[in-house]
Amino acid sequence: GENVEQHPSTLSVQEGDSAVIKCTYSDSASNYFPWYKQELGKRPQLIIDIRSNVGEKKDQRIAVTLNKTAKHFSLHITETQPEDSAVYFCAASDPYSSASKIIFGSGTRLSIRP
Amino acid sequence: GAVVSQHPSRVICKSGTSVKIECRSLDFQATTMFWYRQFPKQSLMLMATSNEGSKATYEQGVEKDKFLINHASLTLSTLTVTSAHPEDSSFYICSTSPAYASGGGKTPLASTDTQYFGPGTRLTVL
Repeated sequence: GENVEQHPSTLSVQEGDSAVIKCTYSDSASNYFPWYKQELGKRPQLIIDIRSNVGEKKDQRIAVTLNKTAKHFSLHITETQPEDSAVYFCAASDPYSSASKIIFGSGTRLSIRP
Repeated sequence: GAVVSQHPSRVICKSGTSVKIECRSLDFQATTMFWYRQFPKQSLMLMATSNEGSKATYEQGVEKDKFLINHASLTLSTLTVTSAHPEDSSFYICSTSPAYASGGGKTPLASTDTQYFGPGTRLTVL
């Protein structure tokens, strides 16, 4: 089955700077890659997603890139703000699951320093 | 956006008792729901896939007799933790997707792969 690796596990950046989180996946047949933001004690919230027919997608300060050849995808947050502090999870679809379940990375705890 | 609810939000129980958690899809009828468990400072681990009208599919290492799943209607899936022990204390979250909406439900709200999560249930077993 699919395996998703994520790094770094923790990331601290100065407010206003950019943050980058990277993930790799194992199965080249995966075709859907969502990113979730989770605040303490709350549900994961989808912040952006990308499909394998697209190399890059941007939504205001958030962008995601996908390199299918290398099986890498990354989340970029620019002009970081204190409210960006949270745990971020990447995920990939499991192409062999009849229910198209998604597999999560291990998470990155992002802290924004004032 | 799509709304998935869970009940209860928090539960504290004694060791050996059983606890039932409900997951409801409010905006569409869902033939498939997913149940996750999340330990503190860890990722979401898929426990099982709940299928309306049929048996759930469990992930490797998850005891199906301990974590009973019932998906008797298109809007409700339940997870029962039987004979709970302190090591079962965790955050349990369900999810579903418009991709799994059955015919006759409301219009899907987003791309078919988007998973919407319930608010989670924090289980503490004493």
